[in-house]
Amino acid sequence: SYELTQPPSVSVSPGQTASITCSGDKLGDTYACWFQRKPGQSPVLVIYQDAKRPSGIPERFSGSNSGNTATLTISGTQAMDEADYYCQAWDSSTVLFGGGTKLTVL
Amino acid sequence: EVQLVESGGGLVQPGRSLRLSCTASGFTFGDYAMSWVRQAPGKGLEWVGFIRSKAYGGTTEYAASMKGRFSISRDDSKSIAYLQIISLKTEDTAVYYCTRSRIISGTYVFDSWGQGTLVTVSS
Repeated sequence: SYELTQPPSVSVSPGQTASITCSGDKLGDTYACWFQRKPGQSPVLVIYQDAKRPSGIPERFSGSNSGNTATLTISGTQAMDEADYYCQAWDSSTVLFGGGTKLTVL
Repeated sequence: EVQLVESGGGLVQPGRSLRLSCTASGFTFGDYAMSWVRQAPGKGLEWVGFIRSKAYGGTTEYAASMKGRFSISRDDSKSIAYLQIISLKTEDTAVYYCTRSRIISGTYVFDSWGQGTLVTVSS
């Protein structure tokens, strides 16, 4: 299977747009999901099927997947969005997770 | 409300075995696949494996690095998923999460997670 690569960290100012990328050789051939994990809490699904938001996830979270890169975009980033974000995809019957990106809201 | 509660973690000596449980409520357990994901201290999420629902054969899949020592099973009558780990190693130290795996457009989506149970392997 292939690997999913994320930047270790991303910084953003409050109210600005944060973009977190996830790259993988075959990522464009499958759906990407994104999870948010805050310290001391369980992961939460924020995007599935590349761009869909589960119920309860704010509209400022959006996603895309093109070529070999999936992107999680947070518009109007808030302090509460500071967390680790993980992309995830399936390769045949195997689950792949990216290494995670720490989003810091400065 | 969907609830997943993991249990069975704790301090275990290397070489011993452990069985973790994931007790589900708030949904029809038998209709869903269930997965296990772990996170070692300071590391990222790592998929362990999953078990399909009986409607899809109840079969299991594991990460390549987990094959052989990890075994997932389920008891639909009790709404519990299990993760058995044998020959525990210090590198198995992690928080183990169970997740509900929902089929959407032919792929499984981990849409609900438990709070996790910590397994510490140390002598």
